[in-house]
Amino acid sequence: AQTVTQSQPEMSVQEAETVTLSCTYDTSENNYYLFWYKQPPSRQMILVIRQEAYKQQNATENRFSVNFQKAAKSFSLKISDSQLGDTAMYFCAFIHTSGTYKYIFGTGTRLKVLA
Amino acid sequence: DVKVTQSSRYLVKRTGEKVFLECVQDMDHENMFWYRQDPGLGLRLIYFSYDVKMKEKGDIPEGYSVSREKKERFSLILESASTNQTSMYLCASSLDRGVIFDTEAFFGQGTRLTVV
Repeated sequence: AQTVTQSQPEMSVQEAETVTLSCTYDTSENNYYLFWYKQPPSRQMILVIRQEAYKQQNATENRFSVNFQKAAKSFSLKISDSQLGDTAMYFCAFIHTSGTYKYIFGTGTRLKVLA
Repeated sequence: DVKVTQSSRYLVKRTGEKVFLECVQDMDHENMFWYRQDPGLGLRLIYFSYDVKMKEKGDIPEGYSVSREKKERFSLILESASTNQTSMYLCASSLDRGVIFDTEAFFGQGTRLTVV
């Protein structure tokens, strides 16, 4: 079965500090995309960062970066210089590049940035 | 910017009612999805559609049906609402990957449905 596991239901971090959210996944496919989505309180889900599985280089978007370990099927999100606006639910997800169009999501990590 | 709009932010319905949740996207996306979001369970796929009048069951289709008569609109139907369908419902859309290699899903603001 294709699954995504986020083992940290809740986390907190001090403003300006760095935090890492973990994600592992299980798939037998070789080609896929991985995503981190952010859902702020009472607001729309938005894409934070994406990673193509065939690319070895880790994706980076400003303060957000990933540590992609394909062999270990691990895809963690690092948030540097945390800001109060980073407070949100974060979901890890993947989609295969062939066949079904389904996005598979994890259970989410609730991150709170403390002032 | 892509806009995915869900018709209601909050809904309260009675047990046994037929409930329609509407979703409209304005970017000509081929794929549309309905997810259910519950605490501790994440997002679970109910149904998705990759073309007009085409639909496929997701992981939890029981008690739900969908309709896609026009490309921009994807409706979720609860045939006879029950209290265990109280949840947050999220609609999403994405481009077909055969057209452009962009796999990002865009989400609506969500509908919080309470069945009493």
